Amino acid sequence: NAGVMQNPRHLVRRRGQEARLRCSPMKGHSHVYWYRQLPEEGLKFMVYLQKENIIDESGMPKERFSAEFPKEGPSILRIQQVVRGDSAAYFCASSPQGRGGNTIYFGEGSWLTVV
Amino acid sequence: QKEVEQNSGPLSVPEGAIASLNCTYSDRGSQSFFWYRQYSGKSPELIMFIYSNGDKEDGRFTAQLNKASQYVSLLIRDSQPSDSATYLCAVFFGNEKLTFGTGTRLTIIP
Repeated sequence: NAGVMQNPRHLVRRRGQEARLRCSPMKGHSHVYWYRQLPEEGLKFMVYLQKENIIDESGMPKERFSAEFPKEGPSILRIQQVVRGDSAAYFCASSPQGRGGNTIYFGEGSWLTVV
Repeated sequence: QKEVEQNSGPLSVPEGAIASLNCTYSDRGSQSFFWYRQYSGKSPELIMFIYSNGDKEDGRFTAQLNKASQYVSLLIRDSQPSDSATYLCAVFFGNEKLTFGTGTRLTIIP
């Protein structure tokens, strides 16, 4: 499968638990983006990473959220102590290069429900 | 704050007609523009990208870019019911962050 792979596709967590969302970029892509989409709202940028580097995290909430893209393995978006407002679709996207002019492709998304 | 603006709709178009979707952006220096289609409960799917002023055609889709007016549009010819979706305009601003508009919901009426 050559596409952007995300898992889990659906995740249910109780308030206060941790959520970990994983993203494997397309083959040959070294740039990963995470976006969040609340119900009936648009896509909001969260973070942009390259291997072992966070390039832009201006869209990440200051607390409880973190992201990484290690040298080996998938990118991870981690949400600690989840609250109901974290319920959303989280989309990962990848591109071969970071600069504008390179299209980015989205994974199928991970739907987080906090109960 | 760099922004991308779209009319949220809904936009209703009869089957077979041309659907016209519009988008404006705030940064005159932007170079790359994208249209994505998103069905309810699904991820965004890239339809077209455009970098140069003028028109770019791909099948039933035409993207139009006017950098002087900071305006990009998407035309869908011979609209089909399967085109009913939310269309997202996205712009790469200079900080390498792809910023999305809130999307226009399009409904094709059979």
